[in-house]
Amino acid sequence: DAKTTQPPSMDCAEGRAANLPCNHSTISGNEYVYWYRQIHSQGPQYIIHGLKNNETNEMASLIITEDRKSSTLILPHATLRDTAVYYCIVRVTGGGNKLTFGTGTQLKVEL
Amino acid sequence: KAGVTQTPRYLIKTRGQQVTLSCSPISGHRSVSWYQQTPGQGLQFLFEYFSETQRNKGNFPGRFSGRQFSNSRSEMNVSTLELGDSALYLCASSLDDREILGTQYFGPGTRLTVL
Repeated sequence: DAKTTQPPSMDCAEGRAANLPCNHSTISGNEYVYWYRQIHSQGPQYIIHGLKNNETNEMASLIITEDRKSSTLILPHATLRDTAVYYCIVRVTGGGNKLTFGTGTQLKVEL
Repeated sequence: KAGVTQTPRYLIKTRGQQVTLSCSPISGHRSVSWYQQTPGQGLQFLFEYFSETQRNKGNFPGRFSGRQFSNSRSEMNVSTLELGDSALYLCASSLDDREILGTQYFGPGTRLTVL
């Protein structure tokens, strides 16, 4: 699976959009971009995933650049409960469910 | 549907002992994966079971083992515990390993402390 690079930490004001970047310059054509988050000492929670088109669900939006070398997770109106470590993961689907977690981005949402 | 459940939630053992952790996946899910999380190494993949067969294995010593039963419930075992095995052990289940179906859902974890 391709390696990802994320900033170690970010701050965001409550109610504002949180934009979390991820670099995956060595991504292969059949690798998807997945985002998970982990609130302190809980199990990671799936947020969203995509291949090359932008995706949106009730939690977030995922913007993938045309060359697929980077992506941005957008939380449109961050709340205090969005404070968590956010992990960007790239993986091939088919052949197993191994997730390779990096160090992620610690997002702190403040009043 | 009920989520992934793990038992016990907390466990204290001493060096040299062995431990068995249990995971019940979401109903209908056939894949169960195990991860270890420590402050120093972060989240690391241990192994995955699918239809009672180990499909993937991480880079952990043979003291770490697992199995999956016909009802998809899974157990992992750590023998001859070491202090460094103190960690949060997470279980994740998924329906399959294809695009949408491969989304993994994590349990709350078992916090193991080795004294």
